[in-house]
Amino acid sequence: DGGITQSPKYLFRKEGQNVTLSCEQNLNHDAMYWYRQDPGQGLRLIYYSQIVNDFQKGDIAEGYSVSREKKESFPLTVTSAQKNPTAFYLCASSHPGTGEMSYTFGSGTRLTVV
Amino acid sequence: GQQLNQSPQSMFIQEGEDVSMNCTSSSIFNTWLWYKQEPGEGPVLLIALYKAGELTSNGRLTAQFGITRKDSFLNISASIPSDVGIYFCAGQEYSGGGADGLTFGKGTHLIIQP
Repeated sequence: DGGITQSPKYLFRKEGQNVTLSCEQNLNHDAMYWYRQDPGQGLRLIYYSQIVNDFQKGDIAEGYSVSREKKESFPLTVTSAQKNPTAFYLCASSHPGTGEMSYTFGSGTRLTVV
Repeated sequence: GQQLNQSPQSMFIQEGEDVSMNCTSSSIFNTWLWYKQEPGEGPVLLIALYKAGELTSNGRLTAQFGITRKDSFLNISASIPSDVGIYFCAGQEYSGGGADGLTFGKGTHLIIQP
């Protein structure tokens, strides 16, 4: 079955460390997105990519970096520059060319700074 | 960016009651989507609406794309304990939504008391 997989489910990071969250999809979707979700908050867009080797900053990109070397993969690195990285991170993908826009989400990664 | 006003922010209801929530925007949308998120998981698409006036059902769930293209509602009939979660609306602006796709509401947290 096609889907979008995030790993790991839980991640613990020491202050000052960089960590990378994985997002892989086998839906043949062109576009991929990273969102951050804090308790009681909505979804805030970190980065998005509409095509391989191209990506754009979202609303809260500071302290994060991404790459899109393959269509299937869109990893997110949380750098030491991110002052408050503890949050739930969601990856999504979509196929904008179909004319019927919707996102498919992964099951999320909960990052905790210890 | 564009904001969606989703209300209510939270609902405390008795099992068996009907539920209604809505989203409004200041600009015209050509797509309205409703997602449900359970604790520790990613949002799952419930209903997608692509035409003004469209009324779509999915079991006990019914959603409508407002005639003005600036609003949508979601109703849940005869609520059951497994309906608990956060419900998000999402939409794409008529202009194409910009390069970043969907805009999300901040969610309605549904809590059901037995």
